[in-house]
Amino acid sequence: SQTIHQWPATLVQPVGSPLSLECTVEGTSNPNLYWYRQAAGRGLQLLFYSVGIGQISSEVPQNLSASRPQDRQFILSSKKLLLSDSGFYLCASPGSPYGYTFGSGTRLTVV
Amino acid sequence: GENVEQHPSTLSVQEGDSAVIKCTYSDSASNYFPWYKQELGKRPQLIIDIRSNVGEKKDQRIAVTLNKTAKHFSLHITETQPEDSAVYFCAASGAAGNKLTFGGGTRVLVKP
Repeated sequence: SQTIHQWPATLVQPVGSPLSLECTVEGTSNPNLYWYRQAAGRGLQLLFYSVGIGQISSEVPQNLSASRPQDRQFILSSKKLLLSDSGFYLCASPGSPYGYTFGSGTRLTVV
Repeated sequence: GENVEQHPSTLSVQEGDSAVIKCTYSDSASNYFPWYKQELGKRPQLIIDIRSNVGEKKDQRIAVTLNKTAKHFSLHITETQPEDSAVYFCAASGAAGNKLTFGGGTRVLVKP
């Protein structure tokens, strides 16, 4: 079965610092991959999705970027964090047979 | 693109009563509608889903209904228990593996 690994679990970063969050998937090949952000007490906002290596689609113009250097690796980055980048970041992929499987998430606090 | 509205945003019920959450969607091409439960600080977990060729699906105490004509679907939880307290999200997509658009969530509190 499919497993999604995310790290780190929590992160506290100062404003203006860089960010790199990693997501890796096991148990499947060539998955669609998604990055979602959840602000405190809010819903899930789709940030980026990827259907293959090097293929990234951005849903929301923002301070973040994504890359997919390998089939099962999806990275979320920022060169300079803003306070508004704080939130719970979730990586997801279609599971079997339906629905998404989510990673355990990274809780980012920008201070 | 798809837009999913979810109501109510909060729901408080007495243990043993039923809870109903309603969602509407905008894209008539959407044909896959999952529901997720998210406990505090944890990832969302799929609890039930329905596809457009089905009008209703039930799994023990939870059921989902879909009205494609009206473009709305609902989650029903019967005989609620304290462990049902969580945030519930509806979602819609054009196919099972495609990107999901989520509703804003419903915080359910089951009072013992």
